[in-house]
Amino acid sequence: DTEVTQTPKHLVMGMTNKKSLKCEQHMGHRAMYWYKQKAKKPPELMFVYSYEKLSINESVPSRFSPECPNSSLLNLHLHALQPEDSALYLCASSRQSGTGLHEQYFGPGTRLTVT
Amino acid sequence: SQKIEQNSEALNIQEGKTATLTCNYTNYSPAYLQWYRQDPGRGPVFLLLIRENEKEKRKERLKVTFDTTLKQSLFHITASQPADSATYLCALGGNTGFQKLVFGTGTRLLVSP
Repeated sequence: DTEVTQTPKHLVMGMTNKKSLKCEQHMGHRAMYWYKQKAKKPPELMFVYSYEKLSINESVPSRFSPECPNSSLLNLHLHALQPEDSALYLCASSRQSGTGLHEQYFGPGTRLTVT
Repeated sequence: SQKIEQNSEALNIQEGKTATLTCNYTNYSPAYLQWYRQDPGRGPVFLLLIRENEKEKRKERLKVTFDTTLKQSLFHITASQPADSATYLCALGGNTGFQKLVFGTGTRLLVSP
């Protein structure tokens, strides 16, 4: 199974709401990622988890809060978002090794709209 | 600052021809380079990885070259098909941390029958 699943597919939320995005993989990958992608732009890295520990935070505002409850799951908790946070949020996973030379497997994304 | 640039305009070619996409980078010393395909509303799909000490990699109809002197990678699709129409992204890794991929701007390829 080489699939990364993400839920929900679409999410509309107000600026005062709290919501969560979920990501799951069963490939045994120990590195998991959150990316943000705006229309006609490349994916931008937000967070990297390695062995369930936060490894990289690309200076993401605190209204985005990642969580990795176990090696298969990755969550992104959202609170007090702004309209400019509307984007496609992509989750990815990869094998973890010292060389880092591994492809990433992406999920289909969650299309988020903040009103 | 680091820059990874790909053809900003869409590339239109006829079915059966070879498509060549470019990826140029500045202020970067990647340990490796990857190419991904992305269809509208979907996540990127991995295609090929090439290391800094490799000149060329092939996989079926795909070929990628990597010239660290020119700071450029070329991605070729031979005998192109309409199903190859998509956005192609190059991604560099290894400079600021092995887990971190930085994506290029992407090139939209349109293959007409």
